[in-house]
Amino acid sequence: DPKIIQKPKYLVAVTGSEKILICEQYLGHNAMYWYRQSAKKPLEFMFSYSYQKLMDNQTASSRFQPQSSKKNHLDLQITALKPDDSATYFCASSQRDSQDTQYFGPGTRLLVL
Amino acid sequence: GDSVTQTEGLVTLTEGLPVMLNCTYQTIYSNPFLFWYVQHLNESPRLLLKSFTDNKRTEHQGFHATLHKSSSSFHLQKSSAQLSDSALYYCALSDGTGGYKVVFGSGTRLLVSP
Repeated sequence: DPKIIQKPKYLVAVTGSEKILICEQYLGHNAMYWYRQSAKKPLEFMFSYSYQKLMDNQTASSRFQPQSSKKNHLDLQITALKPDDSATYFCASSQRDSQDTQYFGPGTRLLVL
Repeated sequence: GDSVTQTEGLVTLTEGLPVMLNCTYQTIYSNPFLFWYVQHLNESPRLLLKSFTDNKRTEHQGFHATLHKSSSSFHLQKSSAQLSDSALYYCALSDGTGGYKVVFGSGTRLLVSP
């Protein structure tokens, strides 16, 4: 059974629209993260959460908003989508903090037209 | 801020030859954690190995790396490349202060041919 679930697997959106990427982890971890990977940039850290609190934000744009309704959920809302947002978005989790191994979900591949 | 440098974007090798992927890092903190993650095609990254102990060799699945704080390096090595080693390899750094940020290098794509 998958331990980190990301929905949807693929997503096509139009420029200017808004989408929510879903992430749930069943590893019992306390920390969750979002990363972005595109052809232009390698794996890029976006956010980290611990016990539903934002711990670090390396995303310059406020169009990206993480949302945590439960300890094992960390969704990513993206507003006013741009073609440059096209990427694979990975959710990850670790037991406690960034010193622990990160376990990555399967990713959501977003294409903005 | 912290940074990780992987100088090779692409490494091409013939099967059976040794592998060495370079990783150097910068941090002001004295006890960083260094990681190597591997990402095969159409998969997500997964941990290959990690270390926080200076001058101690860490091994997993035939790969090994030694953290050298004196040179701020954590190079990945393997004695004999296999076709299945073809993948994207990321070196990553956590500053060791108990924070929640991991800095990834730009990645090195390893292509092993017969």
